[in-house]
Amino acid sequence: NAGVTQTPKFQVLKTGQSMTLQCAQDMNHNSMYWYRQDPGMGLRLIYYSASEGTTDKGEVPNGYNVSRLNKREFSLRLESAAPSQTSVYFCASLAGYTDTQYFGPGTRLTVL
Amino acid sequence: GENVEQHPSTLSVQEGDSAVIKCTYSDSASNYFPWYKQELGKRPQLIIDIRSNVGEKKDQRIAVTLNKTAKHFSLHITETQPEDSAVYFCAATYEGGKLIFGQGTELSVKP
Repeated sequence: NAGVTQTPKFQVLKTGQSMTLQCAQDMNHNSMYWYRQDPGMGLRLIYYSASEGTTDKGEVPNGYNVSRLNKREFSLRLESAAPSQTSVYFCASLAGYTDTQYFGPGTRLTVL
Repeated sequence: GENVEQHPSTLSVQEGDSAVIKCTYSDSASNYFPWYKQELGKRPQLIIDIRSNVGEKKDQRIAVTLNKTAKHFSLHITETQPEDSAVYFCAATYEGGKLIFGQGTELSVKP
């Protein structure tokens, strides 16, 4: 039981490049979330998916798109990366019976 | 709106002292308020949570209190140890199961 996994762990992009961050969970959770974490800003919600087939915007959705591929997988795409998107990105899934969110290990992204 | 304020941003205590971190939340928060601990370079980990039908909850050296009328909740750590040093985040649940986090408190426990 791996919990929540994310790939890649680290990534460096040039301004304007695109990439997709992958997230998967094997806990059969319905809801999944993407956060970004910047120094002094805490964790801010980018997008979330309350169930397979649905996605909704969070606090800071601009510049991102998401896909809930199936119940296990929830990906985050940067179409044209900008230096302001340099951050650590965390994916999480929600155990509905306890309301607890479980986090993945994070992806450290640098945009030059 | 959906907002959680957390204070202080940094907290330094001597080993053995108590530490208190406070958060306030906006009107539309639901009934679930977790606290996460994040060590350097690691993912956030749940340490304790409280629901709005409970005023206080304890788990060994940590406790959380909730005042629904005032819309604030607090984390209390007693007999602090150097391994308690980390960043602590409060959060509140909003519509759709969204967790909105406070800005974090960097706790430093000096031996």
